[in-house]
Amino acid sequence: QKEVEQDPGPLSVPEGAIVSLNCTYSNSAFQYFMWYRQYSRKGPELLMYTYSSGNKEDGRFTAQVDKSSKYISLFIRDSQPSDSATYLCAMKVGNNDMRFGAGTRLTVKP
Amino acid sequence: GAVVSQHPSWVICKSGTSVKIECRSLDFQATTMFWYRQFPKQSLMLMATSNEGSKATYEQGVEKDKFLINHASLTLSTLTVTSAHPEDSSFYICSAISAGGTGANVLTFGAGSRLTVL
Repeated sequence: QKEVEQDPGPLSVPEGAIVSLNCTYSNSAFQYFMWYRQYSRKGPELLMYTYSSGNKEDGRFTAQVDKSSKYISLFIRDSQPSDSATYLCAMKVGNNDMRFGAGTRLTVKP
Repeated sequence: GAVVSQHPSWVICKSGTSVKIECRSLDFQATTMFWYRQFPKQSLMLMATSNEGSKATYEQGVEKDKFLINHASLTLSTLTVTSAHPEDSSFYICSAISAGGTGANVLTFGAGSRLTVL
């Protein structure tokens, strides 16, 4: 079993749809949970960062962490074509190296 | 926010030559930098952890003599792919963790370097 599981997709939605991206993990020690967005041939950029369980909202993006279920989600409201990218979940314990999901390729069609 | 600069963004070289990729933290000091490799449509694979002033720690299966890492200062780490072969063609990405300021618990990534070995 991989430490972090993420459906690679691809996921295709129409513009304006609500997108739900998810990851599950096996290591209950993970404390920090991140979502990165990676455009083609670019480095990942940090979208959302959450410590422990709970929700965090930033504009059209909402990150949720459920540590009891070892499940994290990223919701994108009113999706735009510019949101088309690969979304990587990541998590870590303290300042140790980060573990990444496989990344989900999202396409938002106009 | 923290910025990591990576250079070159794209390099093409002949088989057997060596290529150096630089990773710089522009507005913060990075005691630790990480080097990743990413194949098309796959996730990031950690190659090594680079600590300023000490030897890099390589992940299992990564040849340290093939992928030389030097972290000579708090703002610069370099990855040298020695005697490159076509199978080394990949997207190499560095990231840095700050020394304790804002964002100490997250990584900032460079834009990546695409290596093509002919």
